[in-house]
Parts: sequence; C-alpha cells; structure tokens
Amino acid sequence: AQTVTQSQPEMSVQEAETVTLSCTYDTSENNYYLFWYKQPPSRQMILVIRQEAYKQQNATENRFSVNFQKAAKSFSLKISDSQLGDTAMYFCAFRPPSNTGKLIFGQGTTLQVKP
Amino acid sequence: DGGITQSPKYLFRKEGQNVTLSCEQNLNHDAMYWYRQDPGQGLRLIYYSQIVNDFQKGDIAEGYSVSREKKESFPLTVTSAQKNPTAFYLCASSIRSVAGPEQYFGPGTRLTVT
Repeated sequence: AQTVTQSQPEMSVQEAETVTLSCTYDTSENNYYLFWYKQPPSRQMILVIRQEAYKQQNATENRFSVNFQKAAKSFSLKISDSQLGDTAMYFCAFRPPSNTGKLIFGQGTTLQVKP
Repeated sequence: DGGITQSPKYLFRKEGQNVTLSCEQNLNHDAMYWYRQDPGQGLRLIYYSQIVNDFQKGDIAEGYSVSREKKESFPLTVTSAQKNPTAFYLCASSIRSVAGPEQYFGPGTRLTVT
C-alpha cells in the first residue's frame, strides 16, 4: 500500500529563521506527484508547492522549496525567512499516476512561528 | 470569484439522524472529492467522482453516501450508520487529467453529532 509519513508532529521556529519539514513516502510507482498543503487556523487547505517525480529539479515557490530525493523516497519542505503567517499545519500528499486524482496524505506537522 | 463553497460552516445533529453536507464549485472541474479530517490525523478519502452521474468509494466510505447529478455539486450524506460522524469534512475538486493536477479545497464543514 502507498503511504505517506510525516515524523514530526510539531515544530517551532523563530521568525525570519529557516525550518525544514520532513516527509517520506512508500510506493513502487515511478511517475507520480507530490504536494505540500498548508492548513492555517482557518482550516482552509492551501496548496504550497508541487513536484513531479520525473523532474530532477527541486520545485521552488518564493520562500518555499523542496528537497526531493526520489531514491530515498523523501520530500522535505524548506521554509526560508519564516513569517508569523506561516503558522499552520502542513500536510505532505502523494498522488499516484492513475487518473483518479486521489491524494494520499500524511498525518501533518504543526508549525509554530514565534516572534 | 471562482471557488468551492461548503455550507454550513458548523453543523449540529442528534445521533440517529442523517445529515447532508453541501459542496458546490464554479471552477468547471470534472472531479470532486470528499475527505474527513480527525484531530492528529491527515485527510482520509470518503468518496470521489470523476464525472457527472459516476462516483467511487474511497478508503472510508462506510456510513456515507453521495450523489453527482450536476457537475457543480457533490453533496455528502452522513447516515446514522456512520459510527463516529463527528469530524471536519473537506470537499475538493480538480480538473480531470492524467497530468497530475492539484486539488482545490473548500473551507470545510465541522459536523458535531451528540
């Protein structure tokens, strides 16, 4: 079965510092997609970043970047220059190559940015 | 504004009653999904639909039912057979493509059953 594991239930970081959230997944597929979603206290799920497995280059979106290690099945999220508005729960999600569009989510990491 | 709406934001029901959660999207997306979120857990897929008049069970479909009569709407009914219905319910949609589109989420409905 395909699974996604986030081993850090809670993390904290000082404002303006850098933090890395970990995610590992298990699959026998070769082509797939990975996502990081953010869920702030409002509970609205917001897409942060996506990575296609066939691309070797790590995705970047402003202060957010990923370290995608396909062989190790690792997909970590780095947040640079952390801001108070980054306080949220972060979910890693895996999308298998089938066209059902189903996402498999990790358990989430609660990140608190401290002033 | 294009987006996904879920109503109501908070819903309270007595045990033994069926309740229907609304999900509407005006993004012209073919695929729609229902997830359940419990404290300390990630999202779990209840049902999904890739096209009108067709839907499939997800990982935790027992005690739930859905319909997809219109492209824009994908209501979820929580039946009295669902043993632990109190949870946060999220609806999502995406374009139907093998290219791996992301899903867009609604604001969610918090259901409390007592």
